[in-house]
Amino acid sequence: GAVVSQHPSRVICKSGTSVKIECRSLDFQATTMFWYRQFPKQSLMLMATSNEGSKATYEQGVEKDKFLINHASLTLSTLTVTSAHPEDSSFYICSAGPLGGNQPQHFGDGTRLSIL
Amino acid sequence: QQQVKQSPQSLIVQKGGISIINCAYENTAFDYFPWYQQFPGKGPALLIAIRPDVSEKKEGRFTISFNKSAKQFSLHIMDSQPGDSATYFCAASSRTGYALNFGKGTSLLVTP
Repeated sequence: GAVVSQHPSRVICKSGTSVKIECRSLDFQATTMFWYRQFPKQSLMLMATSNEGSKATYEQGVEKDKFLINHASLTLSTLTVTSAHPEDSSFYICSAGPLGGNQPQHFGDGTRLSIL
Repeated sequence: QQQVKQSPQSLIVQKGGISIINCAYENTAFDYFPWYQQFPGKGPALLIAIRPDVSEKKEGRFTISFNKSAKQFSLHIMDSQPGDSATYFCAASSRTGYALNFGKGTSLLVTP
């Protein structure tokens, strides 16, 4: 149980393109999902907390107009990287935990974004 | 600012040996300490987790030791196997299910 699915697994696109990444909880509902960013051989850094039915909470230094987050249902959160540039190339990973609190987070398999 | 400090950065262990990875934290509000295993190109997978009310938790070959007064915790992998070769991250949060603060990771290589 507690499976989190991310799509797509890899995206390669030109600079200036906007890219949407989906994060789904397959067998549970989640009011909160988290988006992390990971550069090669580095740790995961929290970008934002996605809240179902309300605005996302962004970490300091993360541009909310650059990284648009929508959490329209209890099983789906999306991250849109707007007007992506090469420096946005990274591994983006989402996580979620089942409703009821006090449940561990489970991670998706990530999306490798490469901007040419 | 890294809220969880992890060491070593890399570790080489022979098959059958014990792998030990250490983490330290400062924020006393942290109440949940998981360890994650990550293979290249994949998301982290939860290995084992502990709360501060216990000093040790064991699941199979994986053991977490927790020292609340020293604000340190460690992962021990007994009888390490080549299949354990991966990057391991310790993490901490103020509550299970809340956003995680990750250590920088330890790249483990278990040699045959």
